[in-house]
Amino acid sequence: KNQVEQSPQSLIILEGKNCTLQCNYTVSPFSNLRWYKQDTGRGPVSLTIMTFSENTKSNGRYTATLDADTKQSSLHITASQLSDSASYICVVKLTGGGNKLTFGTGTQLKVEL
Amino acid sequence: DTGVSQDPRHKITKRGQNVTFRCDPISEHNRLYWYRQTLGQGPEFLTYFQNEAQLEKSRLLSDRFSAERPKGSFSTLEIQRTEQGDSAMYLCASSPTGWDQPQHFGDGTRLSIL
Repeated sequence: KNQVEQSPQSLIILEGKNCTLQCNYTVSPFSNLRWYKQDTGRGPVSLTIMTFSENTKSNGRYTATLDADTKQSSLHITASQLSDSASYICVVKLTGGGNKLTFGTGTQLKVEL
Repeated sequence: DTGVSQDPRHKITKRGQNVTFRCDPISEHNRLYWYRQTLGQGPEFLTYFQNEAQLEKSRLLSDRFSAERPKGSFSTLEIQRTEQGDSAMYLCASSPTGWDQPQHFGDGTRLSIL
């Protein structure tokens, strides 16, 4: 069982619309949670990093939320653009472990005209 | 561009051959990581270095895999006697020391085993 689960697996939305991606994790002890964007054929790019004490963090049109009690996170994208088409990966870092990250399988987002 | 660079971007080889990939991290980053990513999956951790010291290796890193970072700068990942299952994207990332530092990824080396 994957310790970082994401939903939906894939999503298609129209340009200009908002969307929310979900992440549930079971890994512990938890240090921080990250969201990465990965374009096809490229390496992941960091969007946000949240510690267990943070509830929300924004980066432009991206807003991540975290509920450490229920071990859930979401990534909200507002006013989507065609360039938002990518895989969005939820990543959890354990306490200690030398910055080793545990990745989810990602949500594949496609933004259409 | 001072990001993480990986070479080659693509590698096609026959089963049983040895391959070596190179990663040049961001110059001021002392941590370097290797990941493997297969289609439709998230990256899986392979190993990481703090300067020239290899501090952790995943059980995914069989004895056919070896990684080095001899002077604490660039790193190489070698796969000996390649197998079909080694076909994947191999990603390198670097970061400064610190538990809250983002890892900066290169664009990977895509390995295809014929």
